[in-house]
Amino acid sequence: GEQVEQLPSILRVQEGSSASINCTYENSASNYFPWYKQEPGENPKLIIDIRSNMERKQTQGLIVLLDKKAKRFSLHITDTQPGDSAMYFCAASNYNVLYFGSGTKLTVEP
Amino acid sequence: GGIITQTPKFLIGQEGQKLTLKCQQNFNHDTMYWYRQDSGKGLRLIYYSITENDLQKGDLSEGYDASREKKSSFSLTVTSAQKNEMAVFLCASSMGQGSETLYFGSGTRLTVL
Repeated sequence: GEQVEQLPSILRVQEGSSASINCTYENSASNYFPWYKQEPGENPKLIIDIRSNMERKQTQGLIVLLDKKAKRFSLHITDTQPGDSAMYFCAASNYNVLYFGSGTKLTVEP
Repeated sequence: GGIITQTPKFLIGQEGQKLTLKCQQNFNHDTMYWYRQDSGKGLRLIYYSITENDLQKGDLSEGYDASREKKSSFSLTVTSAQKNEMAVFLCASSMGQGSETLYFGSGTRLTVL
């Protein structure tokens, strides 16, 4: 299996600033690390992912970093907007299934 | 594009009752999943299935049964509802296993009186 720890559970930032969410995992065999965003009343949707052969990936204001040695990965949202307010879940996969973190509730205040 | 349909959207049960949740997908995906979402605990895997008639237990399988009757459908049964239980059950599908994008349904919200 796998255990994924996610922090912080609640995050409030000012519009235009950056937000960072951190996750750690236990199983060194895990090789795929996606991030899902869940808006209120909606289902979770994939926003970005990174595989174990990469250390950094960036797309549309999102940056993910992976430190395999420390078994740690993180999501950084640059220039946050009110539309970024949502629950964010990190996850790790060791071939068969995704194991999710407990989620971060991000609120971007105007 | 495809869609995952979960029924019912809301389910109210009595303590001890057997309850069935249904999920249909038209992505033609091989793998389907049932996750339970509790406030503050993220998504926890109950069962998954990599093909028709296949079943694999997740970390939270105790108290549940599942059935993959055909490729497009995956049902979950709560064998004995627990009093005051409240959770959202999310069905998902992916083309393969593990390192593939999961597509989620809208969820079934369970309340046990």
